[in-house]
Amino acid sequence: AQSVAQPEDQVNVAEGNPLTVKCTYSVSGNPYLFWYVQYPNRGLQFLLKYITGDNLVKGSYGFEAEFNKSQTSFHLKKPSALVSDSALYFCAVRDGNTGFQKLVFGTGTRLLVSP
Amino acid sequence: DGGITQSPKYLFRKEGQNVTLSCEQNLNHDAMYWYRQDPGQGLRLIYYSQIVNDFQKGDIAEGYSVSREKKESFPLTVTSAQKNPTAFYLCASSDRTGGSTEAFFGQGTRLTVV
Repeated sequence: AQSVAQPEDQVNVAEGNPLTVKCTYSVSGNPYLFWYVQYPNRGLQFLLKYITGDNLVKGSYGFEAEFNKSQTSFHLKKPSALVSDSALYFCAVRDGNTGFQKLVFGTGTRLLVSP
Repeated sequence: DGGITQSPKYLFRKEGQNVTLSCEQNLNHDAMYWYRQDPGQGLRLIYYSQIVNDFQKGDIAEGYSVSREKKESFPLTVTSAQKNPTAFYLCASSDRTGGSTEAFFGQGTRLTVV
């Protein structure tokens, strides 16, 4: 069964500094990996995904993520954080095997960007 | 505007009552999902539907029921058998049930037992 771990409950960063939100995964087949963002009392918004190809994936709002197969990681990054990036971030994985495969979410990491 | 609409945004339920959460999408997606979100636990899958008139239990289906009579609608009923229904409920859809397609989410319904 697939699983996702987000080891940090919260990440604090100053505005203008680079940020990293960590995610590791476990699947039996090839992974399809996703990052979502959630603002208070709202649904999840899709940021980016890794399917195949380049290990560095670029997404919305200046975010990018690096896929590392050997470390089974898919960390979310941004070169310069904004206060408006403060939100709850979820990593998700789907096993690339055929047939229905659940989208499994991590427990989320709260990002707090201070002015 | 294309998207997923959940209603109501806030819902209060008395002990022993059944309540139904609405989810409508105009994205022409085949697959629809219901997730429950609790603090510190991420999102847990309640039910999913790959096609009209078909649905499957997810990881935490006990105390919930669904129907999929139309492609665009996937209502969730929280029954009195659900022992701890207070949570944030999220509906999602995607154009396939597997593979590389991302899911799109509604704005959620916050259910509180009073």
